[in-house]
Amino acid sequence: QQQVKQSPQSLIVQKGGISIINCAYENTAFDYFPWYQQFPGKGPALLIAIRPDVSEKKEGRFTISFNKSAKQFSLHIMDSQPGDSATYFCAAATQGGSEKLVFGKGTKLTVNP
Amino acid sequence: KAGVTQTPRYLIKTRGQQVTLSCSPISGHRSVSWYQQTPGQGLQFLFEYFSETQRNKGNFPGRFSGRQFSNSRSEMNVSTLELGDSALYLCASSLVWGGTDTQYFGPGTRLTVL
Repeated sequence: QQQVKQSPQSLIVQKGGISIINCAYENTAFDYFPWYQQFPGKGPALLIAIRPDVSEKKEGRFTISFNKSAKQFSLHIMDSQPGDSATYFCAAATQGGSEKLVFGKGTKLTVNP
Repeated sequence: KAGVTQTPRYLIKTRGQQVTLSCSPISGHRSVSWYQQTPGQGLQFLFEYFSETQRNKGNFPGRFSGRQFSNSRSEMNVSTLELGDSALYLCASSLVWGGTDTQYFGPGTRLTVL
């Protein structure tokens, strides 16, 4: 049972464009939603995270939009750059009692120059 | 501050052998989690440790085990290796446990089983 579904699997955008990656979750107990960025040969690195008490969080060119009623959240990358080309993972966790992250399957983003 | 360190970075084993992977968390971090990453299944949670105690375990067979030492360093062991165990094994550390504190990942150990 896949608790966090991520789409699309791959995404190609032009430099300067907007990249949008979507995730949906099933477990209503989830209350922490991070996004990780992974470059080849590296471990995932936290990009931005949100808790369900807010509907949007922005950090630089990266924005998370969160829809609690729909159990969906998405990552928007504004002004996408070739250096953003990486695999992005959404994840979810429950607070209190575990560090366990449940990950989506990942989206490979390619930003063409 | 140094990041999460994992050794070795690459490992080649044959079926039936066993392997031990090591993880040194960021200094001061007391919680360590392990994940398996494969192209087909993505990132899957293996287990997590805090204060030398396993706090949670993922849905993996008993061949997968781990432990944490008093200095927070952690090891995971896989016995009787199978071809399907070929994966990138990632270790993540966080400052405390249970508060969804930011987890910092190491570069991983790439295990190949022949």
